[in-house]
Amino acid sequence: AAGVIQSPRHLIKEKRETATLKCYPIPRHDTVYWYQQGPGQDPQFLISFYEKMQSDKGSIPDRFSAQQFSDYHSELNMSSLELGDSALYFCASSLELPNEQFFGPGTRLTVL
Amino acid sequence: AQTVTQSQPEMSVQEAETVTLSCTYDTSENNYYLFWYKQPPSRQMILVIRQEAYKQQNATENRFSVNFQKAAKSFSLKISDSQLGDTAMYFCAFIPNSGNTPLVFGKGTRLSVIA
Repeated sequence: AAGVIQSPRHLIKEKRETATLKCYPIPRHDTVYWYQQGPGQDPQFLISFYEKMQSDKGSIPDRFSAQQFSDYHSELNMSSLELGDSALYFCASSLELPNEQFFGPGTRLTVL
Repeated sequence: AQTVTQSQPEMSVQEAETVTLSCTYDTSENNYYLFWYKQPPSRQMILVIRQEAYKQQNATENRFSVNFQKAAKSFSLKISDSQLGDTAMYFCAFIPNSGNTPLVFGKGTRLSVIA
């Protein structure tokens, strides 16, 4: 069965650079979520989209933005990167009902 | 705000034994979903089991089962016949409403299965 695809899997950036993370949800899933997991922490919700519209917003910094495109893939844009942005970024997708979220493998971002 | 509490940061169990991981949550919602996710060293988030709050019957998936006590707001995970591959971080998670809402995670329990 098709799973959630995230690219790239690993990314190394310098401070103050920008990064773009991509997520391709499971076909026919209408909702995409972005989570950030710091070292030794639980995943924290950043932002979500339902049918290409922003659905919910969590603890996403103003330096970050995201969107969902017509083909339902989503991109998380991160600017002015800081050392504290180093984390594992997960994308998850689901149908509205049942709300069972399937996670991608994550993108590991390292900011030097 | 909804919260999820996992009171056991670390646990260990002998191979083939049974272990129970605790989870409590706080919500004023009546309809919600509860999940246990497993995160092995690969860091992939894997759904282990889910429970709908309106269902009284406890969910079971092979060696994994839950004890859902709605009145007590408790949702524990029992792993039977533990295997070395069960070694992972386990997160309890909660969705306050039905449909299109983000997961609220507990802090996790690190489970080690010992040969």
